[in-house]
Amino acid sequence: EAGVAQSPRYKIIEKRQSVAFWCNPISGHATLYWYQQILGQGPKLLIQFQNNGVVDDSQLPKDRFSAERLKGVDSTLKIQPAKLEDSAVYLCASSAVPTGTYEQYFGPGTRLTVT
Amino acid sequence: GQNIDQPTEMTATEGAIVQINCTYQTSGFNGLFWYQQHAGEAPTFLSYNVLDGLEEKGRFSSFLSRSKGYSYLLLKELQMKDSASYLCAVLLTGGGNKLTFGTGTQLKVEL
Repeated sequence: EAGVAQSPRYKIIEKRQSVAFWCNPISGHATLYWYQQILGQGPKLLIQFQNNGVVDDSQLPKDRFSAERLKGVDSTLKIQPAKLEDSAVYLCASSAVPTGTYEQYFGPGTRLTVT
Repeated sequence: GQNIDQPTEMTATEGAIVQINCTYQTSGFNGLFWYQQHAGEAPTFLSYNVLDGLEEKGRFSSFLSRSKGYSYLLLKELQMKDSASYLCAVLLTGGGNKLTFGTGTQLKVEL
């Protein structure tokens, strides 16, 4: 079974530029999550989708971050414009909720550096 | 708000046993996860406890006491490859089945 795929793996941009990350979840997983993990901290949920609907985006800085999952499969997370404090690893995860177990499977992440 | 506490760092010797504690105060509880995260890699699932008691899986065991808001991860026969960050995460009730993570415990295994 293929795992969660993410691209790119690394990205370096200057502040005020824009950037987009892509995620392809495990086949058949209805729920997809985007997390932000700052160095030395645990992952923080940014947004959660179930199929193509948003379940929770309470911690998403909506003035600069946006995400979509148009066909209920792949997802894209965008930052525009980026700030220095956005430097972090952006993790995508998927789970079989609501039809399966709660376990979340994580992708390898995208390491973003904003200079 | 949600509060999950775990030690920042621990050091142990190869072959020994180490216990990583996690305490939580959350609005709603639907289970507790432990994940392992090696430097530069994604978190990988270790265990899930929803009922009180001990769950054993090979060298790793996880314990939960819901009344005390407490869990621990027990690693036996430590190996160098166990050096990693161990993340405690609470699954909240309510819409979304949201996971809230602690900051992680960085475990260093020494010879």
